[in-house]
Amino acid sequence: DTAVSQTPKYLVTQMGNDKSIKCEQNLGHDTMYWYKQDSKKFLKIMFSYNNKELIINETVPNRFSPKSPDKAHLNLHINSLELGDSAVYFCASSQPPGAPYFGPGTRLTVT
Amino acid sequence: AQRVTQPEKLLSVFKGAPVELKCNYSYSGSPELFWYVQYSRQRLQLLLRHISRESIKGFTADLNKGETSFHLKKPFAQEEDSAMYYCALSGGDDKIIFGKGTRLHILP
Repeated sequence: DTAVSQTPKYLVTQMGNDKSIKCEQNLGHDTMYWYKQDSKKFLKIMFSYNNKELIINETVPNRFSPKSPDKAHLNLHINSLELGDSAVYFCASSQPPGAPYFGPGTRLTVT
Repeated sequence: AQRVTQPEKLLSVFKGAPVELKCNYSYSGSPELFWYVQYSRQRLQLLLRHISRESIKGFTADLNKGETSFHLKKPFAQEEDSAMYYCALSGGDDKIIFGKGTRLHILP
């Protein structure tokens, strides 16, 4: 009965590859997010979707493309991975004005 | 523009001593403020939010609109409080902004 789940938990890949991270929430929330946590533990919002519609796109390179097939899912596809993409990516969901509920994170390592 | 400032990257406190994690914000409207905690290699968990005015794990935070602050306090630190703490702000537009976080280290 996990509220927000992400797969995979760990992802190790080489530069130039394309990869996807999946996120699902069973809380019935309307809004979903992707956040990036870098090596200094800074947490930065990347995208926000409300009912499958993109609301926020925070100057993220267009190599990152979120996709929301329905309001319970928000996947993140990354093209042409670069070393600087190595980070922990957190999915979250909320029912505004409620606080976001975070998933367990996906640790991406690009070599 | 929305901004959340946590001035301390690291705060070391002895067990049993009081804890205060500082958070200042910048927002023109009426924000909603939260504190999140992240234990080592785990997900962020909501600790408390200003509108609920509740105390979780002994932590409290009061919104001071005059000083634009939302400091997190606990009277007696416990070893299990060691974690990263993030202050966050919502302006009601589905955008939640986080501060850079403060690592709280409880010394035995």
